Amino acid sequence: DTEVTQTPKHLVMGMTNKKSLKCEQHMGHRAMYWYKQKAKKPPELMFVYSYEKLSINESVPSRFSPECPNSSLLNLHLHALQPEDSALYLCASSQDSSGANVLTFGAGSRLTVL
Amino acid sequence: GENVEQHPSTLSVQEGDSAVIKCTYSDSASNYFPWYKQELGKRPQLIIDIRSNVGEKKDQRIAVTLNKTAKHFSLHITETQPEDSAVYFCAAVISGSARQLTFGSGTQLTVLP
Repeated sequence: DTEVTQTPKHLVMGMTNKKSLKCEQHMGHRAMYWYKQKAKKPPELMFVYSYEKLSINESVPSRFSPECPNSSLLNLHLHALQPEDSALYLCASSQDSSGANVLTFGAGSRLTVL
Repeated sequence: GENVEQHPSTLSVQEGDSAVIKCTYSDSASNYFPWYKQELGKRPQLIIDIRSNVGEKKDQRIAVTLNKTAKHFSLHITETQPEDSAVYFCAAVISGSARQLTFGSGTQLTVLP
């Protein structure tokens, strides 16, 4: 298996809702990432997990809460989001978190906040 | 601050012509330079990468060149085809981003039939 799988593909939520995005990989990668991508912009790093521990939080608001239940799974819990949080959320994985490894991206979860 | 600059932001070429996209980076310690292709509505996918101990790398119609002294690297696509139309992102590891990949702003390549 050489893929990163993300669910759901699309999500519409109100500002008071609580929802979660899920990501799974079975490549034995020990680093997993959440990126946010706005239209016509590059992916922006949000969080990095290395060996199931949060190693980087790029000053992301607390309404985004990541979780890594095991080495294959990564979740992003969403609560009290704002309309400007609408974006494509990409999960990625790599061999390790050194930065000099190939990133394999999932297809993304397109989030719309009403 | 430390960053990656990418030019041009848009590029249109006739089918069969070559396309060149250039990136510059500021961190002289950067040692890994990947290029990602993102088709409309799809995920970014690695198309080629180069490490700092190599000056050029080719894979069929795609090549990347690296000039460490000048701190720039370029993507070259020859014999372009309509399916090459996509947004291309360069990236480099930047000290200021906790040694993670920082992406350039992207180039929308359109190959005209």
